[in-house]
Amino acid sequence: AQKVTQAQTEISVVEKEDVTLDCVYETRDTTYYLFWYKQPPSGELVFLIRRNSFDEQNEISGRYSWNFQKSTSSFNFTITASQVVDSAVYFCALSRNRGYGNKLVFGAGTILRVKS
Amino acid sequence: DAGITQSPRHKVTETGTPVTLRCHQTENHRYMYWYRQDPGHGLRLIHYSYGVKDTDKGEVSDGYSVSRSKTEDFLLTLESATSSQTSVYFCAISGDLLNTGELFFGEGSRLTVL
Repeated sequence: AQKVTQAQTEISVVEKEDVTLDCVYETRDTTYYLFWYKQPPSGELVFLIRRNSFDEQNEISGRYSWNFQKSTSSFNFTITASQVVDSAVYFCALSRNRGYGNKLVFGAGTILRVKS
Repeated sequence: DAGITQSPRHKVTETGTPVTLRCHQTENHRYMYWYRQDPGHGLRLIHYSYGVKDTDKGEVSDGYSVSRSKTEDFLLTLESATSSQTSVYFCAISGDLLNTGELFFGEGSRLTVL
């Protein structure tokens, strides 16, 4: 069975602090995909990144960076110099490359509050 | 932005009544999904579709049915709504996994069952 665990229910930081959101996953598949989504207070779900299981290179996009480590089954997300606009719920998700479509399994989400 | 429209966006209904949520896409994507979002559970897959008239169950399908008679429309029906189905429902679409794979979500439909 596939499972995604986001152990941090809620994190509060002060603006300009760095923050890391943890994501641990379980799967028996050798090929799989990992995702991060952002849900701001307005409620929509915004795609942030997709990573496949064969690509363990870390990725940086502006203030966002992702650390994928297959050895520990983790796909952590770091925001550098956080801003109030980063306040949102962040979801990590896992899919399998089998069958039809892309049926994502989501973690419970981490609420990030950035205070000014 | 992906062209996905959900309707209605908000609905309040009573226990035992039927409810249908509609998802309409203009992207011509093959795959469509219905998820529900509840605190502490993230998003959970209810049903999905891999083509016209081709659907299958997700992890929380009990009490729900779906239909897809056209590529662009995916309907979610609660035959007899219960209070446990109070939730926010998201429709999503995706193209082929090997090409992109990410799901694009609609704005959500908030359903309250009294």
